[in-house]
Amino acid sequence: SQELEQSPQSLIVQEGKNLTINCTSSKTLYGLYWYKQKYGEGLIFLMMLQKGGEEKSHEKITAKLDEKKQQSSLHITASQPSHAGIYLCGAAPRYNFNKFYFGSGTKLNVKP
Amino acid sequence: EAGVTQSPTHLIKTRGQQVTLRCSPISGHTSVYWYQQALGLGLQFLLWYDEGEERNRGNFPPRFSGRQFPNYSSELNVNALELEDSALYLCASTSAYSGSYNEQFFGPGTRLTVL
Repeated sequence: SQELEQSPQSLIVQEGKNLTINCTSSKTLYGLYWYKQKYGEGLIFLMMLQKGGEEKSHEKITAKLDEKKQQSSLHITASQPSHAGIYLCGAAPRYNFNKFYFGSGTKLNVKP
Repeated sequence: EAGVTQSPTHLIKTRGQQVTLRCSPISGHTSVYWYQQALGLGLQFLLWYDEGEERNRGNFPPRFSGRQFPNYSSELNVNALELEDSALYLCASTSAYSGSYNEQFFGPGTRLTVL
């Protein structure tokens, strides 16, 4: 079973609309990474969250980690076609943090 | 600064054959990670090399192996290929292990197709 659950699995939005992707863990996270992957290509690091309640932003993308450090959300404001791709959350166990695991990904399409 | 590079970009093999994938980390990075991304299965951790040693491996059979060279580049070898080995293989590098999280930088991947 997946240790990180992502939702939704796929998303189609009209350009200019806002959207949110969620990532939930059954365990307390030591840190949570968000990546973007263009179809069939490598992963692009977006941001990392470590502290409960932490929020980071990069351009029009904002990620938050909840206080209990078991859920993170990625929010895109005023989506653009360039935001299309697969968004992955990733994490590692507290005492084995070099053994990464990832969610199954959220496929985002942005219609112009 | 050059990023993580991988070769080849695409590869087609038949069942039972062996394959070697290559990865060059970012200059100054000593750790290399290998991941497998099979269709519908998400990204799976394969192997972690640091300072020339295998430090950790995921739940993959022994026919998945690799090594890291003195210049920190790495190879991933897969023997006795099976159809389900068809996947995108991603390599990532990080700077020296410091006891805390280090950002992983990913290469573009090698797409392996097993017929």
